[in-house]
Amino acid sequence: EAQVTQNPRYLITVTGKKLTVTCSQNMNHEYMSWYRQDPGLGLRQIYYSMNVEVTDKGDVPEGYKVSRKEKRNFPLILESPSPNQTSLYFCVSSGRAYNEQFFGPGTRLTVL
Amino acid sequence: KQEVTQIPAALSVPEGENLVLNCSFTDSAIYNLQWFRQDPGKGLTSLLLIQSSQREQTSGRLNASLDKSSGRSTLYIAASQPGDSATYLCASYPNAGGTSYGKLTFGQGTILTVHP
Repeated sequence: EAQVTQNPRYLITVTGKKLTVTCSQNMNHEYMSWYRQDPGLGLRQIYYSMNVEVTDKGDVPEGYKVSRKEKRNFPLILESPSPNQTSLYFCVSSGRAYNEQFFGPGTRLTVL
Repeated sequence: KQEVTQIPAALSVPEGENLVLNCSFTDSAIYNLQWFRQDPGKGLTSLLLIQSSQREQTSGRLNASLDKSSGRSTLYIAASQPGDSATYLCASYPNAGGTSYGKLTFGQGTILTVHP
């Protein structure tokens, strides 16, 4: 089954404790990205990747890092999480940036 | 900068009613437009993708249309059911090239409630 998976699905952590949210897709897609969703602000892009080793900032990249060492994986790294990063995070993939985009199930992160 | 607006912000209808959700965008130079459904606290489910060369797409009771020249898209839901209750989001795809390549611009969504 074609899908985008994220782990963990739910995470409660404390300020400053480094964490990684993994994202994997099994569709051999080139394009992957991360969004966060917040009430009143909607969905905003954090980072995107056009292919392996090619990443760039989206609208709200501060406090986040990404890497794309393999085509299928695109982890989101929070080196020192802060409470304002409490949000619902979505990983997205598509064959090309302009093709239909597929969303993962989301990761709900709470930073205390 | 692209801005996407969805009207109405919330809609409550009785079961069986036909309804229309509206999506407008400021920059008509979009590539595709996609409609999603989101249940509370859940992920996004793709409903319909209207590609650049198309004007509408249909899936079951759903029909989405796109008019780039006027910067509008509509999602028509026929014979609504309580199970249709969710938030409906539209998102525009920018044209190829530039720093916004691949970045979807989402509307704020329309919260739909269908009561029995």
